Amino acid sequence: EAGVAQSPRYKIIEKRQSVAFWCNPISGHATLYWYQQILGQGPKLLIQFQNNGVVDDSQLPKDRFSAERLKGVDSTLKIQPAKLEDSAVYLCASSRGDTQYFGPGTRLTVL
Amino acid sequence: QKEVEQNSGPLSVPEGAIASLNCTYSDRVSQSFFWYRQYSGKSPELIMSIYSNGDKEDGRFTAQLNKASQYVSLLIRDSQPSDSATYLCAVNLGGNNRKLIWGLGTSLAVNP
Repeated sequence: EAGVAQSPRYKIIEKRQSVAFWCNPISGHATLYWYQQILGQGPKLLIQFQNNGVVDDSQLPKDRFSAERLKGVDSTLKIQPAKLEDSAVYLCASSRGDTQYFGPGTRLTVL
Repeated sequence: QKEVEQNSGPLSVPEGAIASLNCTYSDRVSQSFFWYRQYSGKSPELIMSIYSNGDKEDGRFTAQLNKASQYVSLLIRDSQPSDSATYLCAVNLGGNNRKLIWGLGTSLAVNP
């Protein structure tokens, strides 16, 4: 069974630029999560989708972050404009039950 | 504020010893509990899940859950240098949204 796929793996941008990340969950997993992980901290949930509906986006900075999951499969997370403090690893995870499985993550550096 | 707390470490143990990692949580209605391992520069990888009070063993790993005391622990027997990583505790609050509350992680160093 293929795992969670993410791209790109690394991204370097200047502040105020925009960036987008892509995630393809494990086949059959209805729930998809985007996390932000800053070095030395646990993952912080940004948004959770159940199929193509949003379950929780309470910690998503909506003035600059957006996410969508069209057709209930792939998802994209966008940041526009980026700030220095957005430098982090962005993790995508998916689940069918309680257990979440993570993709390799995208390491974002904002200069 | 629902919280999950872990000692940040670093926890240092000699090779072959038992490493004991602890996690406490604040929400009494929590239903399921997870331990993830995260190597530096990698994403979290599931090690164990536990749902009922008591012990659950998988190879060198044992998860222990005590809901009355609101703690969950992970024991690693015969620790190996390859076990050196950060161990994240995550707690599911229950209900339909399956949201996990994460600890900050405990850094483990196994010394040869």
